[in-house]
Amino acid sequence: QSALTQPASVSGSPGQSVAISCSGGSNDIGAYNYVSWHQQHPGKAPKLLIYDVSVRPSGVSDRFSGSKSGNTASLTISGLQAEDEADYYCSSYTTSNTNVFAGGTRLTVL
Amino acid sequence: EVRLVESGGGVVQPGGSLRVSCVASGFTFNNFWMSWVRQAPGKGLEWVANIKQDGNEKYYVDSVRGRFTISRDNAGSSLFLQMNSLRVEDTAVYYCVRSGVAVAATLWDWGQGTLVTVSS
Repeated sequence: QSALTQPASVSGSPGQSVAISCSGGSNDIGAYNYVSWHQQHPGKAPKLLIYDVSVRPSGVSDRFSGSKSGNTASLTISGLQAEDEADYYCSSYTTSNTNVFAGGTRLTVL
Repeated sequence: EVRLVESGGGVVQPGGSLRVSCVASGFTFNNFWMSWVRQAPGKGLEWVANIKQDGNEKYYVDSVRGRFTISRDNAGSSLFLQMNSLRVEDTAVYYCVRSGVAVAATLWDWGQGTLVTVSS
C-alpha cells in the first residue's frame, strides 16, 4: 500500500495555468481509470474536484481538468484565481479494493 | 443535500479504544459503499477503510488492519469505526466519506470530521 507521489508545492500568478502531477504504479493509477482529485482549504473538509481521471462533478468549474498517461495522472488549473489557493490531493482506487492518496500539493497564487 | 455528521472523537490513552460514528442523510445510505479517511494534524489525507453496502466486504489500510473495525447500520444510516489498541500515530481527524455504488473508487462527499487524539 505505497502512497502516490505528487510535488509538495506549486505556484502561479493569477490568470496563469498550473499542472500538478501524481505518480503511481500498475496496481493503482495504471490499473483503472479511477483517479480522483480533491481540493482542501485550511480548516475545511476535502472537496471532490475530479473523478474517473477527467470528470468534473456538477458545480465544479471547467477551469479544472484531469488527465492520465500510464501510471501518472495530472490536474491542470487554468485561469488561476486567488480562491484556488489550497491543498490538492490525488487518489486512486487499487487492485486490492482500497484507495490510496498522494501526500498533497500546496498551491500558492502569487 | 448529502450530509455526513461524525461524532465520538476525543482524547484516549495509548492502548485504549474509541468508537467514532457517522450519521448520513440526503441520500439512500444502503446504496453506497462508505469509507473512513483520516488526516493527522498538519499532514495529508490517508485512506483508512471501506465497507460494502451489505457490510460483507471490508478493506483496511495495512497500518490499522487487526486493530480497527468498520461497520454500518443501514436501518439507522450510520457508519462506525471501532478503534482498538490505539497508538499515538493514530491521532487525526477522521472523516466519514460517501463512496461509490459498484466499487468504492470515488470519494464523493465528506463529513466535517471528528478529532481523535491519542496521548498519555
